[in-house]
Order: sequence, then C-alpha cells, then structure tokens
Amino acid sequence: GENVEQHPSTLSVQEGDSAVIKCTYSDSASNYFPWYKQELGKRPQLIIDIRSNVGEKKDQRIAVTLNKTAKHFSLHITETQPEDSAVYFCAASIGLGTVRGKLIFGQGTELSVKP
Amino acid sequence: DAGITQSPRHKVTETGTPVTLRCHQTENHRYMYWYRQDPGHGLRLIHYSYGVKDTDKGEVSDGYSVSRSKTEDFLLTLESATSSQTSVYFCAISSSGGGMNTQYFGPGTRLTVL
Repeated sequence: GENVEQHPSTLSVQEGDSAVIKCTYSDSASNYFPWYKQELGKRPQLIIDIRSNVGEKKDQRIAVTLNKTAKHFSLHITETQPEDSAVYFCAASIGLGTVRGKLIFGQGTELSVKP
Repeated sequence: DAGITQSPRHKVTETGTPVTLRCHQTENHRYMYWYRQDPGHGLRLIHYSYGVKDTDKGEVSDGYSVSRSKTEDFLLTLESATSSQTSVYFCAISSSGGGMNTQYFGPGTRLTVL
C-alpha cells in the first residue's frame, strides 16, 4: 500500500542551530503535504503545508521544500528555540480527487532543542 | 482550536468489553476521521466518514466499527476490546475531502485495555 517514510526518528540540536526533517512518499499522484507539530500530551497541530504546484514555502523560521520528481519533501526550522521541542509529523495525500482521499502520516520525528 | 471535542478523555477497560468513543464537532465539516497513535507508528487511520451514513475503512480497521448518524457526531466502537487496542485515539475533521485540505485534530482519548 501507499506509505510515507520519515527520517530521522529523533533529532537533537543546540538552540540556534537549524533542524531538517525529511519525508519520502510512494503515491506519485500525491499533491498535498502538511506538517504537524505535537507537543507532549497535546493534539497534533498544523504548522505549514505545501501543494505540488510550488517547490518551497516559508513561514518565519519554518520552511518546507518539495521535490515531486524524487517524491520527497523536507521541513526546515532555522534558529531553533527550546519551544520547538516536540514531535513533528509529515503527511501526504492519497486518493487524489475522490471523497475517499485521505492523508498518510510519517512515523514522526522527536526534536529536542537543547539550551 | 477547532470546535472538536472527544469523550471520554481517558478510559480504562477490561479485555472483551465493548467501548465507544465519541467525537463531536461544531464546525459543520463534512469529513471526519479516526486515528490511533502508537509509538513508532505515527498516526494511523482507522475509519473515516465523508458524510452522514457514509463511512469507509482506513489502514487499521480490524476490530473497529464506526457510525455517523449526524454531521456533528462520529462514533468509534471497539466491539470486544483487546490489549492491542491500548492506544491514544484522535478524531480529526476537514472541510474538504480527497486528503486535500487541513485536518484539525481533537484533544485525544487515552484508552487502556487491561
């Protein structure tokens, strides 16, 4: 079946450094790629998303890049802060254009930002 | 946070007992989803609904059933709970389907099956 692979599973950085999380997907028809942040004990919350008609999107310290040819997309966090510590999930759409379309999530990356 | 609530928030039950989890939304969104979250597996789709009485299976649907008789409520039932169903369950809603739009998550239900 369709799947999304996410790496690394854990990532530790020093405050102020950059963090990069990478995902690959299998469905070549996928064209919506959201990223969610989940703090401990909380619900996942959308932080940024990208559609296949653009290659890069930025929102302050967060950016996402998409390479449709290689079927991978990445989350970039610059100038990391302790409050960025959380689990991050990528996702890709499958079943494009149908009511039965849905998201497939990666396994998650636990980011730890050390002061 | 989007107007999504889940009940109960925590539940401990015995193996073999039926369990029903409720997701309630006030956003009038057509699409609703049930996920389970387990360490190392991310969020896995159990069942979803694309309208009242319209539901379909996700990737881990065995042992679960759902019902949606009203736009605002989506129920997840474990007919006979097993220890492998110990997990955190999240409901999500979306205004558009096809996996094309943002899904907003509820606060989650932590279920323990002894």
